[in-house]
Amino acid sequence: QQPVQSPQAVILREGEDAVINCSSSKALYSVHWYRQKHGEAPVFLMILLKGGEQKGHDKISASFNEKKQQSSLYLTASQLSYSGTYFCGTASGSNYKLTFGKGTLLTVNP
Amino acid sequence: DSGVTQTPKHLITATGQRVTLRCSPRSGDLSVYWYQQSLDQGLQFLIQYYNGEERAKGNILERFSAQQFPDLHSELNLSSLELGDSALYFCASTGREATDTQYFGPGTRLTVL
Repeated sequence: QQPVQSPQAVILREGEDAVINCSSSKALYSVHWYRQKHGEAPVFLMILLKGGEQKGHDKISASFNEKKQQSSLYLTASQLSYSGTYFCGTASGSNYKLTFGKGTLLTVNP
Repeated sequence: DSGVTQTPKHLITATGQRVTLRCSPRSGDLSVYWYQQSLDQGLQFLIQYYNGEERAKGNILERFSAQQFPDLHSELNLSSLELGDSALYFCASTGREATDTQYFGPGTRLTVL
């Protein structure tokens, strides 16, 4: 079943923070985050495995709450380059059978 | 440049035809993933290969098949094409670990007329 992402779209000014959520009705083993700019291939951001592990690099981090079957992606002090559509993909087992959400369109304005 | 190459970049064909999409992973990467992206279906995981063997299968139609060759390049074969198969097809590659960074190729845009 497809995970639900929220919000569907968000507009920020440079320097503001944002949170994108990804929720599933199924028990999750892993959550994968990607960013895609218009006309380009997706860019892999990170994978989170069950256990509530938080990951991050630069000013983008994510958490995974396996009890709530939810992951959140945190973008801190957003930059213009953060604009794009963010997708989460979820897997219920240790294999890679991912199901993707519909995406969250993030726009960062100067 | 991710180091992953896909050919062709664009493909226009007719319904009922068969096409082959090719992906060359980054040097040293053992795993190849195929994805389909369309306006209707969004982003979908199709299939994963690791060192020549199928590792995971997603929403891949029976009309589609894939393989990974000894030199680790992969091909996605699409047959009996339908209008709804028009989409972007991406491949990505990673190293040994499933949690390694995935590197995406530029994609093949397939148009079925």
